[in-house]
Amino acid sequence: NAGVTQTPKFRVLKTGQSMTLLCAQDMNHEYMYWYRQDPGMGLRLIHYSVGEGTTAKGEVPDGYNVSRLKKQNFLLGLESAAPSQTSVYFCASSYSLGQDISYEQYFGPGTRLTVT
Amino acid sequence: AQSVAQPEDQVNVAEGNPLTVKCTYSVSGNPYLFWYVQYPNRGLQFLLKYITGDNLVKGSYGFEAEFNKSQTSFHLKKPSALVSDSALYFCAVRDGGVSGGYNKLIFGAGTRLAVHP
Repeated sequence: NAGVTQTPKFRVLKTGQSMTLLCAQDMNHEYMYWYRQDPGMGLRLIHYSVGEGTTAKGEVPDGYNVSRLKKQNFLLGLESAAPSQTSVYFCASSYSLGQDISYEQYFGPGTRLTVT
Repeated sequence: AQSVAQPEDQVNVAEGNPLTVKCTYSVSGNPYLFWYVQYPNRGLQFLLKYITGDNLVKGSYGFEAEFNKSQTSFHLKKPSALVSDSALYFCAVRDGGVSGGYNKLIFGAGTRLAVHP
């Protein structure tokens, strides 16, 4: 199993450009999450999904949109990138309580995004 | 509101010495607590968790953590540090909240562990 994969690994955008980050998992997890990691702030939840076709806002959702059209994929979009969105983005997934009660999340390798 | 604090930005330890990385939490209800490790340019790896049961939890790579309800702490420990343990360590608590949790996690700011030869 590949686990959780993310593409791309690195990206440089200019202010105002748009892009989509792709997260894929092959563990049949119901729940998926997008975080951003900034120095000294830990990981902060952007959006999450509790199943195919459902998404919800996390702690820092402004400026981002998400979609979960397929159970295994969770897309994070930036419609008009800003320098404040320079960060490392991590995707994670976990079983639902109905699938398993392990509770922990499994993380992808991250995408380093720079907005100039 | 649920929160996690890691009071130390960095912990320095000599190889072979015991190490402790501190974590305190604030939750309503029973805490579900986790430790993750992040090596340079990598994602987070799960180390261990406390859900219920014994207060001393054993995890990967020889790490363990002690849950202390009265002190609302969940400190990460290892009896003998290795240089290869040098990494960024995150404590996290499950966000129960009104949504029922959905296994959302609230992370501390992280503690950088440096193990010197």
